[in-house]
Amino acid sequence: QLVESGGGLAQPGGSLRLSCAASGFIFSDFDMHWVRQVAGQGLEWVSTIEPAGETYYAGSVKGRFTISRENANNSLYLHMTGLRAGDTAKYYCVRGAETAHLDVWGKGTAVTVS
Amino acid sequence: DIQVTQSPSTLSASVGDTVTITCRASQTIMTWLAWYQQKPGEAPKLLIHKASTLVTGVPSRFTGSGFGTEFTLTISDLQPDDFATYHCLQYNALFTFGPGTKLDFK
Repeated sequence: QLVESGGGLAQPGGSLRLSCAASGFIFSDFDMHWVRQVAGQGLEWVSTIEPAGETYYAGSVKGRFTISRENANNSLYLHMTGLRAGDTAKYYCVRGAETAHLDVWGKGTAVTVS
Repeated sequence: DIQVTQSPSTLSASVGDTVTITCRASQTIMTWLAWYQQKPGEAPKLLIHKASTLVTGVPSRFTGSGFGTEFTLTISDLQPDDFATYHCLQYNALFTFGPGTKLDFK
């Protein structure tokens, strides 16, 4: 199970930190991802962190967002800075399966930049 | 970056119909493609990975196929619960989703 928190309203240029609490699996064994979805639109991959900490970012957020994890606490984070109106979306925490596809999804947390 | 297109963007069908959704990648992704179903207000649900591997518990009326750059999701004998939005995802090189196909009642 994945449960996101930390969403809310932020001003343009502001910051937010999203959290994701994982349970029911060995968190430290899996890649973890953030995926976002603007209301009524498609899905957009945002960022990935591997178990050892290697990170990857979509071009649209690189340099502004930072993904991190605390394996001891089964937690995933997304620190978002320099927020823009275009970052308004529901943000999903997602597990990466052993064969790399995204398998388990949280219910998401909504971020509004206005 | 790998681009993914999906067609059609909307699809109208009736219960009992068979429908096909197509995803195309801008370069070969072997079979590194997954399909998801999403209903309003819910998170996406994984249906198929590695182009054709059905997830446990997903009805066998869902079939995925393809290799390289062209992939299809076929849903046979449409049921009322199948009317939703379908997304494909390439995971050969980072991750790119298709724009989605909304399947609605004719």
